[in-house]
Amino acid sequence: EDKVVQSPLSLVVHEGDTVTLNCSYEVTNFRSLLWYKQEKKAPTFLFMLTSSGIEKKSGRLSSILDKKELSSILNITATQTGDSAIYLCAGTWGDQKLVFGQGTRLTINP
Amino acid sequence: NAGVTQTPKFQVLKTGQSMTLQCAQDMNHNSMYWYRQDPGMGLRLIYYSASEGTTDKGEVPNGYNVSRLNKREFSLRLESAAPSQTSVYFCASAGYEQYFGPGTRLTVT
Repeated sequence: EDKVVQSPLSLVVHEGDTVTLNCSYEVTNFRSLLWYKQEKKAPTFLFMLTSSGIEKKSGRLSSILDKKELSSILNITATQTGDSAIYLCAGTWGDQKLVFGQGTRLTINP
Repeated sequence: NAGVTQTPKFQVLKTGQSMTLQCAQDMNHNSMYWYRQDPGMGLRLIYYSASEGTTDKGEVPNGYNVSRLNKREFSLRLESAAPSQTSVYFCASAGYEQYFGPGTRLTVT
């Protein structure tokens, strides 16, 4: 069964800290891994990763995929209170199916 | 360019009632999806449609039916609502990345 697992489920840090969120997957016919940020409404797209070892970066956020370990990490440096959200990762499979992990609830305290 | 639209935004049903959630996208995407989101469960895939005319079950299809009416529209039907179907429902469409609609908050009493 295709499965995506995120850790930790919840994380509380102080503003300015660096955080690392983890995502692992068990797949058949894996195509890509996606990261999303969800605040109060619908998830918004952050990154899509298809190749192992190539870092994607957007401002203070970065992400990398390790196909050998079937995992990905999302790093956020110099965190701000506006980074507080649920971060979701999802795997896409050959038949276009997209399956999400449970999410990591990140809280940044001032 | 509205992206992905969903109606209604909120709905309250009594157990046993039926309803259809509507979703439309104007990005010419082939793939469309229906998810439900419950606290602590992330997003769970109910049904998806890889292209017009095809639909497939996701992780939690029981109690739901879908119709891919055309390339733009993908509807989700609850034939006999149950309290366990109280949730927030998101529709999405995908090209390179997946775009989500604003969600429908459904309460079944």
